[in-house]
Amino acid sequence: DSGVTQTPKHLITATGQRVTLRCSPRSGDLSVYWYQQSLDQGLQFLIQYYNGEERAKGNILERFSAQQFPDLHSELNLSSLELGDSALYFCASSVGVDRDYGYTFGSGTRLTVV
Amino acid sequence: GIQVEQSPPDLILQEGANSTLRCNFSDSVNNLQWFHQNPWGQLINLFYIPSGTKQNGRLSATTVATERYSLLYISSSQTTDSGVYFCAVGRRGSTLGRLYFGRGTQLTVWP
Repeated sequence: DSGVTQTPKHLITATGQRVTLRCSPRSGDLSVYWYQQSLDQGLQFLIQYYNGEERAKGNILERFSAQQFPDLHSELNLSSLELGDSALYFCASSVGVDRDYGYTFGSGTRLTVV
Repeated sequence: GIQVEQSPPDLILQEGANSTLRCNFSDSVNNLQWFHQNPWGQLINLFYIPSGTKQNGRLSATTVATERYSLLYISSSQTTDSGVYFCAVGRRGSTLGRLYFGRGTQLTVWP
């Protein structure tokens, strides 16, 4: 167990639907990152939160949104899902922003859009 | 963004062999990490190594930041070393904390 908890592990849903992925960071980590892994794009950075505030945005679609709550868990919301959104979605956490001692990844959520 | 190139893309070894994986990056970085993605998809952090050399058991890594490359050494490989090895880099001062990943090296170790 890496200490980063992601739920659910698997998700199958239809096109046009909306899903929420959840992440609890490792105890003591203030930064949470979301990444998408697909066969054609590899590992792509989506968004980063630090202590509840959005810090950086990457290749995140407008149909996707995220937030980090006061207890530091984070949720990634994916809406109007398309077949191409099928991918492995990872959450990672780290100690802080200015000094990265290394990421710890969760086990991922495998999303299949049918 | 920062371009990250890993080589070789694929590596097939017999148990007991040694290997070297390389990561080249296109810009100065102050965050470099090596990860192992096992066959079940789990990403494990192997090293946080923006510069210098580190060792952890049969694995070691060296980063020469001034020349923009890093090397991951695997000695006496075992079947459990199979999976994809990713190099990821970051640059403090812009998108703090964000990592740019290479496409990985797929390692297969046969018994």
